[in-house]
Amino acid sequence: AQSVTQLGSHVSVSEGALVLLRCNYSSSVPPYLFWYVQYPNQGLQLLLKYTTGATLVKGINGFEAEFKKSETSFHLTKPSAHMSDAAEYFCAVSEEAGNQFYFGTGTSLTVIP
Amino acid sequence: KAGVTQTPRYLIKTRGQQVTLSCSPISGHRSVSWYQQTPGQGLQFLFEYFSETQRNKGNFPGRFSGRQFSNSRSEMNVSTLELGDSALYLCASTETPHSGGAEAFFGQGTRLTVV
Repeated sequence: AQSVTQLGSHVSVSEGALVLLRCNYSSSVPPYLFWYVQYPNQGLQLLLKYTTGATLVKGINGFEAEFKKSETSFHLTKPSAHMSDAAEYFCAVSEEAGNQFYFGTGTSLTVIP
Repeated sequence: KAGVTQTPRYLIKTRGQQVTLSCSPISGHRSVSWYQQTPGQGLQFLFEYFSETQRNKGNFPGRFSGRQFSNSRSEMNVSTLELGDSALYLCASTETPHSGGAEAFFGQGTRLTVV
């Protein structure tokens, strides 16, 4: 079975600082990896996804993530945090033949002015 | 193009009652998945429907059921509500049956509170 681990349920950064949200997965087959963002009282919005090809994936709002197979990781980064980045972030994995997402427990990002 | 629409946005029900939630997928999308989100358990898969057929079901009791109509709209029903059913219920749609790298579009959710 798939599983996703997000280290750090709460992360605080200063405005303008680097954002790093960690995600590790376990999968017996090559996975498809996703990062979603959730704002208060909203649904999930896709930030970026890795399917095949280039391991460095760029997404919306200046976010990017790198797929590292050897480390089974897919960490999310943004060079400079903005106040509007404050939200809950979820890492998710899916399989080729799978028909559901397996989500991590989420990381709440706080941006300090 | 309209997004995924979930109704109602908020619901308050009493223990023992039943509830029906509705989800209208993006136009042209034929697959609808449901997820339950709670602070303790996070996001958990309930079931997926494609072409009016349930393709997969998560580890939830039989009190949780769903269906999909010919226009791809989906409903989920929870009978004999328990306090632990209080959650945000999210619906996601994909063009084809959800698999691999398919991008799923989520609705804003229905916040169910059981008292």
